[in-house]
Amino acid sequence: AQKITQTQPGMFVQEKEAVTLDCTYDTSDQSYGLFWYKQPSSGEMIFLIYQGSYDEQNATEGRYSLNFQKARKSANLVISASQLGDSAMYFCAMRGYRDDKIIFGKGTRLHILP
Amino acid sequence: DGGITQSPKYLFRKEGQNVTLSCEQNLNHDAMYWYRQDPGQGLRLIYYSQIVNDFQKGDIAEGYSVSREKKESFPLTVTSAQKNPTAFYLCASSIGTDSYEQYFGPGTRLTVT
Repeated sequence: AQKITQTQPGMFVQEKEAVTLDCTYDTSDQSYGLFWYKQPSSGEMIFLIYQGSYDEQNATEGRYSLNFQKARKSANLVISASQLGDSAMYFCAMRGYRDDKIIFGKGTRLHILP
Repeated sequence: DGGITQSPKYLFRKEGQNVTLSCEQNLNHDAMYWYRQDPGQGLRLIYYSQIVNDFQKGDIAEGYSVSREKKESFPLTVTSAQKNPTAFYLCASSIGTDSYEQYFGPGTRLTVT
């Protein structure tokens, strides 16, 4: 069975510092995709970044990068130069190649302090 | 603008009543999904549909029903059989179920008393 684990229920970070949100996963699939979503207090889910299991380079999208360590089954999200607007819940998610559905971790609540 | 709409944003019902949550998309996506989110929890899949007139149960389908009569619409009915229906419900769509990216609606917060 596939599983996503986010071990940090909450984090407090000073504005402008870099942030790393941890995510580990478990799957027996050889091909899979990993994602991060942001959920502000408004509730809607915002797609941030995607990493394919066969991608050799770590994915980057603006201030977001995904630190993918396949052997360790780790897919940490790095936010550079954090901003007050980054305060939100962040969810790590995964889909296996043969699956029709995505599974989500329980999330990390990030608080950016001014 | 293309996107997903869910209405209403807040919904209140008495225990024992069925309630239907609306989800509409104009992205021309084939696949649509319903998730439930409880406080401090991730998203759990209720039902999903890969194509019109077809849908599959997710991980927590008991007490819920869906229909997919049109590509654009995927309403979710929370029945009186659902023992703990108070939650935040999110609808999503994707080009297909083999697409990695899902687009989410703004969600409906259902409170049953």
